[in-house]
Amino acid sequence: KQEVTQIPAALSVPEGENLVLNCSFTDSAIYNLQWFRQDPGKGLTSLLLIQSSQREQTSGRLNASLDKSSGRSTLYIAASQPGDSATYLCAVISGNTGKLIFGQGTTLQVKP
Amino acid sequence: GAGVSQSPSNKVTEKGKDVELRCDPISGHTALYWYRQSLGQGLEFLIYFQGNSAPDKSGLPSDRFSAERTGGSVSTLTIQRTQQEDSAVYLCASSTQGGVYEQYFGPGTRLTVT
Repeated sequence: KQEVTQIPAALSVPEGENLVLNCSFTDSAIYNLQWFRQDPGKGLTSLLLIQSSQREQTSGRLNASLDKSSGRSTLYIAASQPGDSATYLCAVISGNTGKLIFGQGTTLQVKP
Repeated sequence: GAGVSQSPSNKVTEKGKDVELRCDPISGHTALYWYRQSLGQGLEFLIYFQGNSAPDKSGLPSDRFSAERTGGSVSTLTIQRTQQEDSAVYLCASSTQGGVYEQYFGPGTRLTVT
């Protein structure tokens, strides 16, 4: 059974810092991995999607990497801003129906 | 274009009542997913639709939960005889096709069972 773990559960950093969020999964047979952002009381916003054949994806200040063999992904946020404060969720698709299996999330606070 | 929409945004119901939650996917998206987000369990998959059929219902927690999709578009999640443990945020997502394609989420319906 696929399990997804995110470390740390919470993170507080001063504005301007670069930071890394970690995601690990137990079964390396995944189709893709998706990073989401969730603001309090809101739905999920897709940030980056990495296909299983890819090693990384970049969007603006965000860079996500994928190492299937070790069952790990990282989300790198450069030059963090208070507006980046949110919960970040990692999810994998390991079956052909596309159902996402989520980690518990990392709650990020960026202090001005 | 319009994103995924869900209604109602909030629903408070008494234990034992039935509730219906609605999802309007992005136009043209053939795949639709329901998930549930609760404090104790995190985000969990409930059911997957491809067109009007549901090839994966493995996440539905009990036979009190059912869902349908009509016209390859709108979906309704029905919870019968609600229990307090059903209190959660119910999220809907759609994608262009099933499988590996990116999923886009709606804002969710917050269900509170009193």
